[in-house]
Amino acid sequence: QKEVEQNSGPLSVPEGAIASLNCTYSDRGSQSFFWYRQYSGKSPELIMFIYSNGDKEDGRFTAQLNKASQYVSLLIRDSQPSDSATYLCAVNGDGSSNTGKLIFGQGTTLQVKP
Amino acid sequence: DTAVSQTPKYLVTQMGNDKSIKCEQNLGHDTMYWYKQDSKKFLKIMFSYNNKELIINETVPNRFSPKSPDKAHLNLHINSLELGDSAVYFCASSYPGFGTDTQYFGPGTRLTVL
Repeated sequence: QKEVEQNSGPLSVPEGAIASLNCTYSDRGSQSFFWYRQYSGKSPELIMFIYSNGDKEDGRFTAQLNKASQYVSLLIRDSQPSDSATYLCAVNGDGSSNTGKLIFGQGTTLQVKP
Repeated sequence: DTAVSQTPKYLVTQMGNDKSIKCEQNLGHDTMYWYKQDSKKFLKIMFSYNNKELIINETVPNRFSPKSPDKAHLNLHINSLELGDSAVYFCASSYPGFGTDTQYFGPGTRLTVL
């Protein structure tokens, strides 16, 4: 059974701090990695995707991928109260077949305190 | 313009009833998905269709039957509803394929079975 693991939290950080969210996955054949944000009562929305080892930056968000260690992380710099949400890590679950199957972690709840 | 829409937004029904949820996307995507998010916020894929063809069929009871009349629509019919079917059902769409497989989610349908 392919799995994606996240610490459910809550992760609490003060406003302006860096929030670090981590995710591990079991399938070494996974090629695509995604971070979605989900506000309470809303649908998941894509924040970032990453395909290659290393860092990928987009504004205040940085995704980090280490395929050898099978983890992917999301850093949020200068955290704002509006960043308070559940962050879902998702990994493609079909290797190179490209069926679009995503396996989601259980999500990490982030609380940014003013 | 709404990219991925679902109807109804809320659905409350009795055990044993049959109900349908409809999904439409105007993004021109080839692939559509149904996900179930349970009370613990765990998001799990159920089905996907690529251009009206069933691609992914996870371990889902036969009471659940997806139908795709065209590539912009994917409906979900549920027979003989059970208490355990209570969840939020999300529709999503994407172009499948490495580098283009970002999935966009609809607003969700909250199903409550009494």
